Amino acid sequence: QVQLVQSGAEVKKPGASVKVSCKASGYSFTRYYIHWVRQAPGQWLEWMGIINPNSGSTSYAQKFQGKVTMTRDTSTTTVYMELSSLRSEDTAVYYCARSPLGGLGGLDIWGQGTMVTVSS
Amino acid sequence: QSVLTQPPSVSGAPGQRVTISCTGNSSNIGADYDVHWYQQLPGTAPKLLIYDNINRPSGVSDRFSGSKSGTSASLAIIGLQAEDEADYYCQSHDSSLGGSRVFGGGTKLTVL
Repeated sequence: QVQLVQSGAEVKKPGASVKVSCKASGYSFTRYYIHWVRQAPGQWLEWMGIINPNSGSTSYAQKFQGKVTMTRDTSTTTVYMELSSLRSEDTAVYYCARSPLGGLGGLDIWGQGTMVTVSS
Repeated sequence: QSVLTQPPSVSGAPGQRVTISCTGNSSNIGADYDVHWYQQLPGTAPKLLIYDNINRPSGVSDRFSGSKSGTSASLAIIGLQAEDEADYYCQSHDSSLGGSRVFGGGTKLTVL
């Protein structure tokens, strides 16, 4: 079936980096954008950015420019999101989600989420 | 603070109808970008409920409907059920933020 499966929970110290993976299966990997969305504890959804798995091109929300890097590996149909210079405010659940290429459609399939905890 | 404004909470009794508003501006909803709605049950990932303003994905109950007018959009739920208790988010695109997708602040629906 169509699914996005994310890597497991992470605990990091302030200043470190974290890399979360999102493996796609059950559909044509290069025909859907992958987005990253985060949700701090008890807070709302926050869009971080998008990657085109076909070209590798990315677009990041202004807030995350210089802090996030999204990459993809077409051979394993996996997208990665790396967040650097972690602070306590980056403690959140990070979700990947897909939307159809070439448009501004809704995010129809979501990963299960990856909890990232930043603590000294 | 979210670009799209939603009421923090709404409530209704079983069987009733509730609506959730999502207010934007001329850079997002008012610029004719589509609005999508998501349902997030406690402890789970969001689920696409309405896409492109009015459309329901396969498997979503027809008790849920969406509409859009001007700089606002709304989600309506009829025949309220206990299982509808969740957080609801609207989402659109904003041209003033470098082409970002934007979410509303979310609305907690309580079924009384």
